[in-house]
Amino acid sequence: EVQLVESGGGLVQPGGSLRLSCAASDFTFSAYSMNWVRQAPGKGLEWVSYISSSSGTMYYADSVKGRFTISRDNAKNSLYLQVNSLRAEDTAVYYCARGRPSNYMDVWGKGTPVTVSS
Amino acid sequence: DLQLTQSPSFLSASVGDRVTITCRASQGISSYLAWYQQKPGKAPKLLIYAASTLQSGVPSRFSGSGSGTEFTLTISGLQPEDFAIYYCQQLSSYPPYTFGQGTKLEIK
Repeated sequence: EVQLVESGGGLVQPGGSLRLSCAASDFTFSAYSMNWVRQAPGKGLEWVSYISSSSGTMYYADSVKGRFTISRDNAKNSLYLQVNSLRAEDTAVYYCARGRPSNYMDVWGKGTPVTVSS
Repeated sequence: DLQLTQSPSFLSASVGDRVTITCRASQGISSYLAWYQQKPGKAPKLLIYAASTLQSGVPSRFSGSGSGTEFTLTISGLQPEDFAIYYCQQLSSYPPYTFGQGTKLEIK
């Protein structure tokens, strides 16, 4: 079964860091672009970051630019999001999502929660 | 940045009803629009891409239309499992890959 499983979330103090991971299975991970999308409690969806299949192109939302870094390891079928200088407003469930052509997001993980609080 | 505005934000309907949700873009996006369904505590699910193409496995009661700046998602014959939040997303002008604010479909 095509699957994405996120991990690495948790409770962190303002200014802290985390590394989120997304493990892919049952598809050719290296052939697809990938995304991180987040959802704050009770709020809508916010696209966070994109990485192309070969890591040649990366995009970020303005709200995270300079603080978050997306990366991938195609040999390990894994996607990552390094999140630094965390703020209360970064509190959300973080989803990884596979991008098909034109980046329509057709497979999503269940999400990993990040809470930024002192 | 390009903005997407969904209407209505809340919609109350009954099983068997036909409902339509609209998504308006602040500038033309051709047909680079997707619709997602999200149920409480669950990840979003892709329903429609390229404005009108049904994702594999999605029931045919879901349909999408539009191009340019105005798009619609129609559900014909609401089923109990369709009560959820629906989001549109544009994939034309990026970054960012903007989502609409969502439409909550509730049981009347």
